[in-house]
Parts: sequence; C-alpha cells; structure tokens
Amino acid sequence: AQSVTQPDIHITVSEGASLELRCNYSYGATPYLFWYVQSPGQGLQLLLKYFSGDTLVQGIKGFEAEFKRSQSSFNLRKPSVHWSDAAEYFCAVGATGTASKLTFGTGTRLQVTL
Amino acid sequence: SAVISQKPSRDICQRGTSLTIQCQVDSQVTMMFWYRQQPGQSLTLIATANQGSEATYESGFVIDKFPISRPNLTFSTLTVSNMSPEDSSIYLCSVELGGRHTEAFFGQGTRLTVV
Repeated sequence: AQSVTQPDIHITVSEGASLELRCNYSYGATPYLFWYVQSPGQGLQLLLKYFSGDTLVQGIKGFEAEFKRSQSSFNLRKPSVHWSDAAEYFCAVGATGTASKLTFGTGTRLQVTL
Repeated sequence: SAVISQKPSRDICQRGTSLTIQCQVDSQVTMMFWYRQQPGQSLTLIATANQGSEATYESGFVIDKFPISRPNLTFSTLTVSNMSPEDSSIYLCSVELGGRHTEAFFGQGTRLTVV
C-alpha cells in the first residue's frame, strides 16, 4: 500500500528566508506526486505535481519540488517565503496514471514570522 | 480546471441526526471522491462515487454510515448518518480531471461539528 510521510509537523520561518518541506513516499511503481496547500477555511489548492520526466518541477506561487527516486522523496522548496505562504501543506501520492484515490501525508503547518 | 461547490459550508448538528452534504461540479466527471479530514489530521479517502454504480468504500468506512448518491455526472451527495461527536470533521469532495496529466480538484469542504 502506498504511504506518505511528512516528518515536520510545524515549521516556522522568517519572511524572506528559504523554505524546504520534506516528503517521503512509499509506492511500488512510479508514483504520481502532488503538493497541495490549504489556507485557513479554504479548500485544497494544487501547488505542483510530478508524473515523469524532469525531476525538478515548478509550481505556482514560486514553489518547486524535486523528485528523488533513490531517496523516495519529493521535497517542496521556495527560495523566499512571503507572509501569505503561512498555511498547511500536504504531500500526496497517487497510483500511477491517476490522481484519484490520493494518499495524503499528515501535513506541515508553516508559520511565517515578520 | 473544475469549480466544485459544496453545501453546506459548515453545520452544527445534534448527535444521532444525519446530515447530507452536496457536491456540484461545473463539468461532467466520471469519478467523484469524498474525503474526511478530522481535526488536526490529514485527509482520508472515504469512498469513490461513479455515476450509475454503487460507491466503493475504503477500509473503515461503510455504506450504512456514509451513504452516497451519484445521480448524474455533475452531482453527488454524502450523508453522515447517526452522527456522534467523533464525526466532527471537514468533509471534502474531489474530482479528477484531465487525460494524460491528470489532476484532482477539491471543493472548499464542509465543516461539521457534532454536539
């Protein structure tokens, strides 16, 4: 069965600092990987996704993520965090070829200090 | 992309009662999904709803507790039956769109509090 681990429950960074959120997955075949953001009272918004090809994917809001098969990781990064980035971030894995029946990590809550 | 509307956005219900959550999509989709997000927790898939067939439930979820309807390709309902405080969660509807590079879209969610 597929699984996702986000080891950091809560992260605090200063505005303008760089950010890296960790995600490790377990899946037998080539995974479809996603990062979603959930702001307070909001639904889930897709930041980026990886299916195949270039292992460094670019997303919205200046986010990027790198797929490392050898480490079973798909870490999310942003070079300079803005106060509006404060939210809950979820990594998710889907079965090959589909975004249905996603398995989500437990999420990382990002706090941004001014 | 897809626009997904959920109703109600939030509700406070008495234990022992039932609540039906509606999910409307602005385009026709084959599969719709219902997730639960318990307080401080991640999202867990409840069931997959295909039009014209019975919903498929994930382990730990049963039809008697979470009956689902899927009358057409743009609409689905999830009922939370005989509610208890443990059912207090955010319930989210999701659809999958796209061909080769598929993507899941989510509604805003229904925040349910059972008292």
